[in-house]
Amino acid sequence: AQSVTQLDSQVPVFEEAPVELRCNYSSSVSVYLFWYVQYPNQGLQLLLKYLSGSTLVKGINGFEAEFNKSQTSFHLRKPSVHISDTAEYFCAVSELNLNKFYFGSGTKLNVKP
Amino acid sequence: GAVVSQHPSRVICKSGTSVKIECRSLDFQATTMFWYRQFPKQSLMLMATSNEGSKATYEQGVEKDKFLINHASLTLSTLTVTSAHPEDSSFYICSATTGGNNEQFFGPGTRLTVL
Repeated sequence: AQSVTQLDSQVPVFEEAPVELRCNYSSSVSVYLFWYVQYPNQGLQLLLKYLSGSTLVKGINGFEAEFNKSQTSFHLRKPSVHISDTAEYFCAVSELNLNKFYFGSGTKLNVKP
Repeated sequence: GAVVSQHPSRVICKSGTSVKIECRSLDFQATTMFWYRQFPKQSLMLMATSNEGSKATYEQGVEKDKFLINHASLTLSTLTVTSAHPEDSSFYICSATTGGNNEQFFGPGTRLTVL
């Protein structure tokens, strides 16, 4: 089974500052990697995904993530955050050819004015 | 494209009653649908995986007789919480996949409150 670790449960940051949300996973096989955002009382919205190819993945809302196989990490970054980015962010992994997703515990991003 | 809806968005019921939640893929055919449960301030916990026309596969610790899942068509799956109790109160989220690239498309969730 996979495990996904999001080290930071909460990340406070000021508006227009850069942010990095960390995600590490454990797996002995190749995986697909995802970041989702969840606004209060809503479902999950896909931010970006890594399936193969370039390790730097660009997503919606100015977010990007870099897959680092040697460090088994997939950290999410944004160079300048906005108040509207305040939400909870989930990292997820899925083994190739399997449908099962494993989610991290989530990181609550709180952008302050 | 790839929109998943859930109905109802919120439901309040009395203890002992049953509640049905629908999950629909609106613009694609979903070979597989998933049901998750999310407790406050926690991550999503996979409850079960369902494929159209076959019995759902439940995760360890999830009571299949309490959480009945039906996947009657390629666009509809239902979760019925039978004899609901207050501890069943939670946010239930479904997702659907076409099978390609493993990407799952999530519904907006259903907030269940059992009094």
